[in-house]
Amino acid sequence: DAMVIQNPRYQVTQFGKPVTLSCSQTLNHNVMYWYQQKSSQAPKLLFHYYDKDFNNEADTPDNFQSRRPNTSFCFLDIRSPGLGDAAMYLCATSSGVRDRGHEQYFGPGTRLTVT
Amino acid sequence: DQQVKQNSPSLSVQEGRISILNCDYTNSMFDYFLWYKKYPAEGPTFLISISSIKDKNEDGRFTVFLNKSAKHLSLHIVPSQPGDSAVYFCAASAPNAGKSTFGDGTTLTVKP
Repeated sequence: DAMVIQNPRYQVTQFGKPVTLSCSQTLNHNVMYWYQQKSSQAPKLLFHYYDKDFNNEADTPDNFQSRRPNTSFCFLDIRSPGLGDAAMYLCATSSGVRDRGHEQYFGPGTRLTVT
Repeated sequence: DQQVKQNSPSLSVQEGRISILNCDYTNSMFDYFLWYKKYPAEGPTFLISISSIKDKNEDGRFTVFLNKSAKHLSLHIVPSQPGDSAVYFCAASAPNAGKSTFGDGTTLTVKP
């Protein structure tokens, strides 16, 4: 089945220790997104890629970086995690076709804990 | 300033009855509205969408209504089933934005 895969599902890192979260997709979608979600809150968009075009949200901290080496893979790097970065990180994809308003397909998420 | 608001954090209904989930938005540029459903330990899944040129879209038990003048949309689930118990997110997108803005979600509980 075509899908969005996130690894790992659970990640524990130490305060200030760099961490990388990964996302892969078999949908061959042009657009990939990274969201941060804290409990009982809306998913907050951090970045998105349209093909190789990188789009950074204005309020995304500099501590967060992203890479998309090819269509299938996208990475979220947190350079110096703080306690406030503990959250669920969701990866999503979209075909880029507007017929249904950029319907997105989400992965299961990576739960990040910062100790 | 939150552009998409779901003012009810939770909703509880009896199996077989109607569930109505509400969403308000402030940005008049939004032209597509989407609903996603999220089960625990899973990512959100797309449920139904509506373009701003329509006022209703129906898919099986799910119907979304859009009131542009009030900047309000609602999701109706009829009849509600216990398997519908989940968090429902409303989202909106603007032309050429390539992205959506999400509300905080409403937790629906359908009691047998």
